[in-house]
Amino acid sequence: DAKTTQPPSMDCAEGRAANLPCNHSTISGNEYVYWYRQIHSQGPQYIIHGLKNNETNEMASLIITEDRKSSTLILPHATLRDTAVYYCIASKTGANNLFFGTGTRLTVIP
Amino acid sequence: DTGVSQNPRHKITKRGQNVTFRCDPISEHNRLYWYRQTLGQGPEFLTYFQNEAQLEKSRLLSDRFSAERPKGSFSTLEIQRTEQGDSAMYLCASSLVRDRANEKLFFGSGTQLSVL
Repeated sequence: DAKTTQPPSMDCAEGRAANLPCNHSTISGNEYVYWYRQIHSQGPQYIIHGLKNNETNEMASLIITEDRKSSTLILPHATLRDTAVYYCIASKTGANNLFFGTGTRLTVIP
Repeated sequence: DTGVSQNPRHKITKRGQNVTFRCDPISEHNRLYWYRQTLGQGPEFLTYFQNEAQLEKSRLLSDRFSAERPKGSFSTLEIQRTEQGDSAMYLCASSLVRDRANEKLFFGSGTQLSVL
């Protein structure tokens, strides 16, 4: 699976959009980009995933560049409850191949 | 949806003792995973089951570790002769697999193990 690179930490003002970048320059054509987050003292929570096209669900939007070498997770209106570690994962198939790395610690500031 | 349940939430043990953790997945889910997480790191895959069959084990899973899922429902993870390096959060996750590329994991809140 391709290695991903994320900034270790980011801040975002409450109510503003949080844009979390992820670099996966060695991603192969059949690898999906998955995002999970982990709120303190809880297990990780699935957010969204995609292959080539941009994706949106009730939690977030995922924007993947045309060359697929990077992506951005967008939380449109961040709340204090969005404070968490966000993991970007590139994986061919199956959850047993998920390599979480160290993620980005997002802090939403009141 | 009662979610994935893990027991106990916390376990403190002395080095050399055996410990067992239990995971109850979401009821209709056919896959069950065990991950381990140490402070400041992301979760690391240990093993997974499809129904009652254990299909893959990570090299992280030494021979002191054993996992079972006897009837394809709940699972147990046992660590024998615990060592201080086993101190970690042990996370269980389950999924309903129809299409592996679209598999989503649902995690429990984990069991925090401290080996003294």
